[in-house]
Amino acid sequence: EPEVTQTPSHQVTQMGQEVILRCVPISNHLYFYWYRQILGQKVEFLVSFYNNEISEKSEIFDDQFSVERPDGSNFTLKIRSTKLEDSAMYFCASSDRKGLSGYTFGSGTRLTVV
Amino acid sequence: SQQGEEDPQALSIQEGENATMNCSYKTSINNLQWYRQNSGRGLVHLILIRSNEREKHSGRLRVTLDTSKKSSSLLITASRAADTASYFCATDAHTDKLIFGTGTRLQVFP
Repeated sequence: EPEVTQTPSHQVTQMGQEVILRCVPISNHLYFYWYRQILGQKVEFLVSFYNNEISEKSEIFDDQFSVERPDGSNFTLKIRSTKLEDSAMYFCASSDRKGLSGYTFGSGTRLTVV
Repeated sequence: SQQGEEDPQALSIQEGENATMNCSYKTSINNLQWYRQNSGRGLVHLILIRSNEREKHSGRLRVTLDTSKKSSSLLITASRAADTASYFCATDAHTDKLIFGTGTRLQVFP
């Protein structure tokens, strides 16, 4: 069964450093997403991406965050200057038909900012 | 309350029993989805029910949707120890994002 692949599975970074989280969505999917889950809390929407542009973003997704689909297969989330409160599990997801089918989520990247 | 609140927060049952989890939401939706999350792992899509559907089945899962009450329930029949996980509802409210509920932690004892 097709999977969404995320790397790395765990990243530890110092406060103020830039991190890039990587995702390979399912190849024929057109809609891509990033969500995050702070330990013990809800899964929160960050950003959606379609047709090579952001289609929607949350209040969390401020100027420190950016997304890119550089080569038609990878989908990345960059945090320019990490804060302690960015520590969370970050999930990438993709979907083939907006609103008509469920999302396929990756297994996540656990980001720890120290 | 926020979009996508679930109850109970935690549920413990014996293998073979049925488990019912409820989800309430506040806005008009396009569809409602249920996901499962094993501890520290990713989210697995279980089932999607559209706003014009009232009930849907998938294996041992039964989902109902009552749009007049803005609520949904997930029933897992004949539970197994392997069903132990957190279960989340998520609503697609005609936007390009899912809003997740608070989740129900299900523990199934062998």
